[in-house]
Amino acid sequence: ETGVTQSPTHLIKTRGQQVTLRCSSQSGHNTVSWYQQALGQGPQFIFQYYREEENGRGNFPPRFSGLQFPNYSSELNVNALELDDSALYLCASRREGYQETQYFGPGTRLLVL
Amino acid sequence: DQQVKQNSPSLSVQEGRISILNCDYTNSMFDYFLWYKKYPAEGPTFLISISSIKDKNEDGRFTVFLNKSAKHLSLHIVPSQPGDSAVYFCAASGSGNTPLVFGKGTRLSVIA
Repeated sequence: ETGVTQSPTHLIKTRGQQVTLRCSSQSGHNTVSWYQQALGQGPQFIFQYYREEENGRGNFPPRFSGLQFPNYSSELNVNALELDDSALYLCASRREGYQETQYFGPGTRLLVL
Repeated sequence: DQQVKQNSPSLSVQEGRISILNCDYTNSMFDYFLWYKKYPAEGPTFLISISSIKDKNEDGRFTVFLNKSAKHLSLHIVPSQPGDSAVYFCAASGSGNTPLVFGKGTRLSVIA
């Protein structure tokens, strides 16, 4: 059983650019969530996908968007990057109905200059 | 306003002694409480959880206690080992499809 993987591991962008981050869910997991972890903070929920549809969203603007594919892998897209978007972006997967246990990937560290 | 609070940013404990990490929450709708451990350059790793219908859950050296009336939970690690040195996050969620709400974390250092 493979774990949750994310790519790339690190990324540097400039203000105004767009970025796409990728996540492969753990085998058998059909629900994926994305979190943003700023320095010194805990992870903050961005949104969740189940069966290719967004079914939950945190307090993030529409320039944060996502996709889930039939193989349950996922993308996080951020448009018009701002300096405050610099953070560690974490992807987590779980089986639907197993709310209490999510398995996290290692994250993508994004730096916006 | 933070719904899950970990008021101690750091904790230092001698190897072999007990580590106690604390967490407070404000939302009475939370049903599940979880602890995650995070090493540098890795994602958070699930450690232990507790449902709101219980007041204690034990797994080896790790025990989580829940006091619903005080909206407080704690993680006990006995005995503490140097490999336990990491950042520990407390998280909570409601029933159904609600997302995890995390605290800011507590950095535990276990000194040999």
